Amino acid sequence: GAGVSQSPRYKVTKRGQDVALRCDPISGHVSLYWYRQALGQGPEFLTYFNYEAQQDKSGLPNDRFSAERPEGSISTLTIQRTEQRDSAMYRCASSPAGVESNQPQHFGDGTRLSIL
Amino acid sequence: DAKTTQPPSMDCAEGRAANLPCNHSTISGNEYVYWYRQIHSQGPQYIIHGLKNNETNEMASLIITEDRKSSTLILPHATLRDTAVYYCIVRPFNTGGFKTIFGAGTRLFVKA
Repeated sequence: GAGVSQSPRYKVTKRGQDVALRCDPISGHVSLYWYRQALGQGPEFLTYFNYEAQQDKSGLPNDRFSAERPEGSISTLTIQRTEQRDSAMYRCASSPAGVESNQPQHFGDGTRLSIL
Repeated sequence: DAKTTQPPSMDCAEGRAANLPCNHSTISGNEYVYWYRQIHSQGPQYIIHGLKNNETNEMASLIITEDRKSSTLILPHATLRDTAVYYCIVRPFNTGGFKTIFGAGTRLFVKA
């Protein structure tokens, strides 16, 4: 499809394990965002990439969370030593231009992460 | 914290216009108003955005007050499938506009 693709759709893992969540943005999109969404709440910003450059990571909760986008396309959000409080829906969004434009973001359907 | 304030929920009769308000009294001159909606567990869906002029597209109309401190999203003929959470966001379009802050949104119930 032509939309933002995230994988896996569901991830269940035991506390203490590392997880890697993948985002494949819309082809050619410059900007890529990661969000976390708790049940009943709006998406919470985590980090932003412009091409391969991570330009804002102020929303990452702590140093167990990291993200990369090495070739300016696919991005991976990694959570190390997972804790139960990390359980949430993780969403990725992409936008065709940089933040200097007014182009909207296009969201994927997310990865639901459950930590046992 | 979100820079917008929305009512937590609203009802609308099917076929009638749904008017969703949003207050953004601290909006800056370089900030656009964006509306997204989220149906069930799907990802947020972009609806419309504007700076100061009213905007219309195939989904909705956006009315922004002259002082830009509030706006209204209008779904002209609401259907049951428009039941969703609607988010109003303000975001700058130049340097520094990385962070997009969603509030709790308005949960719109369209009733038959």
